[in-house]
Amino acid sequence: QLHLQESGSGLVKPSQTLSLTCAVSGASISSGGYSWSWIRQPPGKGLEWIGYIYHSGSTYSNPSLRSRVTISVDRSKNQFSLKLTSVTAADTAVYYCARSELGRYLLEFWGQGTLVTVSS
Amino acid sequence: QSALTQPASVSGSPGQSITISCTGTSSDIGGYNYVSWYQHHPGKAPKLMIYEVSNRPSGFSHRFSGSKSGNTASLTISGLQAEDEADYYCSSYTSSSTLWVFGGGTKLTVL
Repeated sequence: QLHLQESGSGLVKPSQTLSLTCAVSGASISSGGYSWSWIRQPPGKGLEWIGYIYHSGSTYSNPSLRSRVTISVDRSKNQFSLKLTSVTAADTAVYYCARSELGRYLLEFWGQGTLVTVSS
Repeated sequence: QSALTQPASVSGSPGQSITISCTGTSSDIGGYNYVSWYQHHPGKAPKLMIYEVSNRPSGFSHRFSGSKSGNTASLTISGLQAEDEADYYCSSYTSSSTLWVFGGGTKLTVL
């Protein structure tokens, strides 16, 4: 069974960079056929898709965040990562990672999520 | 404000049926059959429960069903059970550069 686990900095200061990693077990990112996404949920608000990466390293991100987002993959560790620069309080959210089949717009497996708070 | 509109909350008694709506536009729900629904118990990983409007992943109860009419998708839960109490989110592909949009979520309370 596929399992995804988010980890990273839980508290980030304004203007700094948020860094998160999603460790994948039960499947290999290198095998292809899937996209690996980041999604977030600010407190009391709905979900927002941040972006995804393919095993090849190709990425696509939400235009509203694109200038600040970097998504990368580390095939040797079977994990992918998110960096979000110049954070503000508006970036405080629970961040989730998830997997989708290529060409299908559904998030079939999710991690439990990790709360990131932006505060000085 | 979320791109897709859901009621903030719905409630029902055990055994009853409820329907959660999800309204978008012709650029998302109305234009494509890529509507999916997710069940989220707080503190746990969200679960895909309906995909491509009306399909259920294997192992998911037949009590959950999805449909679409025009720009509005719906999730129906029949025979409500206590464990159905959770937050439910809809999602759709969109032809805009955002690619993927979600609803604001609906909290289901089983009375």
